[in-house]
Amino acid sequence: IAGITQAPTSQILAAGRRMTLRCTQDMRHNAMYWYRQDLGLGLRLIHYSNTAGTTGKGEVPDGYSVSRANTDDFPLTLASAVPSQTSVYFCASSDTGTGANTVELFFGEGSRLTVL
Amino acid sequence: LAKTTQPISMDSYEGQEVNITCSHNNIATNDYITWYQQFPSQGPRFIIQGYKTKVTNEVASLFIPADRKSSTLSLPRVSLSDTAVYYCLVSSSGSARQLTFGSGTQLTVLP
Repeated sequence: IAGITQAPTSQILAAGRRMTLRCTQDMRHNAMYWYRQDLGLGLRLIHYSNTAGTTGKGEVPDGYSVSRANTDDFPLTLASAVPSQTSVYFCASSDTGTGANTVELFFGEGSRLTVL
Repeated sequence: LAKTTQPISMDSYEGQEVNITCSHNNIATNDYITWYQQFPSQGPRFIIQGYKTKVTNEVASLFIPADRKSSTLSLPRVSLSDTAVYYCLVSSSGSARQLTFGSGTQLTVLP
């Protein structure tokens, strides 16, 4: 049972480099999300996708981009990494159904990114 | 979007009941309240969800007063393994599901 798979688990990256964090789910959930978690700031939403082909901006979208070409994959790209993007990144998915407001998020194990 | 406010931290002892309260003063009519638990180096995990009054499952109870401006997560007889960060989440209605987490409450269970 895989659920949500994130890769890489951890990465050290030089500032200015491009980086893509991968996220794959096998639950056929329509919605997917990317959060970053920093000490003392909890989880902050970066981008989300309600369904394949659509994306939206969350609370802290600057410096990040996403795509949702299919239901299973939701990669997060840092076009030119900066040290302030050092964080733990969590991907999540949910089955939002048809307008239901009850939402259970399923999270991956996280990707720890260090930008030097 | 409804914002949430929780205590930053709480300490308890093994075997005690723990109650963590979350404030969500501008909760919308169609919003639900959900609580998550997060252990170090892991993603958050769903605990319980409710709309009003009381909900109970095998892990916890959730109490929501009539005005729904707050909610209380109750953990019966906590153990050391319940040490974690607990997040209160209010889900927004409509197509834009910008699910926003609060800052979380660090619960430390002491022997």
